[in-house]
Amino acid sequence: RKEVEQDPGPFNVPEGATVAFNCTYSNSASQSFFWYRQDCRKEPKLLMSVYSSGNEDGRFTAQLNRASQYISLLIRDSKLSDSATYLCVVNHNYGQNFVFGPGTRLSVLP
Amino acid sequence: DADVTQTPRNRITKTGKRIMLECSQTKGHDRMYWYRQDPGLGLQLIYYSFDVKDINKGEISDGYSVSRQAQAKFSLSLESAIPNQTALYFCATESENYNEQFFGPGTRLTVL
Repeated sequence: RKEVEQDPGPFNVPEGATVAFNCTYSNSASQSFFWYRQDCRKEPKLLMSVYSSGNEDGRFTAQLNRASQYISLLIRDSKLSDSATYLCVVNHNYGQNFVFGPGTRLSVLP
Repeated sequence: DADVTQTPRNRITKTGKRIMLECSQTKGHDRMYWYRQDPGLGLQLIYYSFDVKDINKGEISDGYSVSRQAQAKFSLSLESAIPNQTALYFCATESENYNEQFFGPGTRLTVL
């Protein structure tokens, strides 16, 4: 089993839709959690960190469930510019640190 | 100017050739990483360095070596390239305070 797993997608949604991505991780010692965004053929960039209490940044909401080892990302009112691959990342704060999921591809359609 | 730069951006080479990919950063971060990305897979860690005197193997270090010439420079070498090393390679630095990683633009390597 991979250490970080994500819905593979692709998710094809119309503009204005709400879409949710799921991510599970297997290492209960994971300490920090993130969502990165990667545009086609570009480098990953941090979208948001994920805190235990959940956090929101504009149209984006991230949730963490440590008991279920589950992370989610909700995007409301999708824009064409949200089309990208979204990477779930966990950090053990020791050793190799960051572990990346394979990513979920989102296409927002006009 | 970009904070993390990589050279070359694209490279086509032949099996058995030695290749060096270079990474430079102006962020002042001690921690630097090399990853490779293959279609449908997550980023896989090749090597990482927490300071100039610290080099560590990642999950897929076989066939690769690195050199940390200075805080700002971290190079990745393929001693004898093989076709299954064809991939997109990313260098990254890490902000120790916030755990955020900053990536270079990537090097697309093709081994024929």
